[in-house]
Amino acid sequence: DIQMTQSPSFLSASLGNSITITCHASQNIKGWLAWYQQKSGNAPELLIYKASSLQSGVPSRFSGSGSGTDYILTISNLQPEDIATYYCQHYQSLYTFGAGTKLELK
Amino acid sequence: QVQLQQSGAELVKPGSSVKISCKASGYTFTSYDMHWIKQQPGNGLEWIGWIYPGNGNTKYNQKFNGKATLTADKSSSTAYMQLSSLTSEDSAVYFCAREGSYGGYRPFDYWGQGVMVTVSS
Repeated sequence: DIQMTQSPSFLSASLGNSITITCHASQNIKGWLAWYQQKSGNAPELLIYKASSLQSGVPSRFSGSGSGTDYILTISNLQPEDIATYYCQHYQSLYTFGAGTKLELK
Repeated sequence: QVQLQQSGAELVKPGSSVKISCKASGYTFTSYDMHWIKQQPGNGLEWIGWIYPGNGNTKYNQKFNGKATLTADKSSSTAYMQLSSLTSEDSAVYFCAREGSYGGYRPFDYWGQGVMVTVSS
C-alpha cells in the first residue's frame, strides 16, 4: 500500500504570511493527490485536486504543486479563516490520507 | 445543491452493532460512489470503503473487512454503514463523502457532517 507522509505536524504562522505543507508518497502517485481543510468540529473540505487544480469556490491564495512522490500545498497571505488542520490524500483505487498539519496563529 | 445529511450520534454497547445513514440530495444518487471515512478523536482520517449505489458494488479497506458493511437504498437516496462487534477502538466520528465527477480518478467533493459513535458499557 502507498503511504503518505505529511509535514510538518504543527505549524505556527502570522496573518499575511505564506506557509507551505509537504506531502511525500512512498511511490509515484502520478499527481493523484488532493488537499483538504478541516476546521474544528467540521467535515473536511476539498481545496485542491490532481495536485494543482483549485476546487470551485476556493480562494486563489491556496495553491498546490508537485509531481511524482512530492507535493506541496501553499497558502499565501494567511487569513484568520485559514486556521484549520490540512490533510493530503492519495486517491486512486485505494484512498490514503496524510496524518495532517495543524495550522495555528503565531 | 448537493447535500449529505447523516444520522444522529450513537451510544452503543461493546459487542453490539450500529447502522448509520447518509441521505443524499441535490444530485443523481445512483451515479456517484459514496465513501465512508473514520476519524478517531484527535486523530487523522482513515478510508473505510465505497459503495456504488447504481449497482451496489462495494470495495473495502482490508482493515475494515468484517467490521463495516456498506449498503444503499436507491428509493430513498440513502447510503448506510453498519459496524459490527463494536469495541472502544470503533469510537469515532464517521463521515460519508461523495466521490467527485472529475476526469480520471476522483477525490471527495462533498462530505456529510459526520456521526459520532461512542462505544461504552
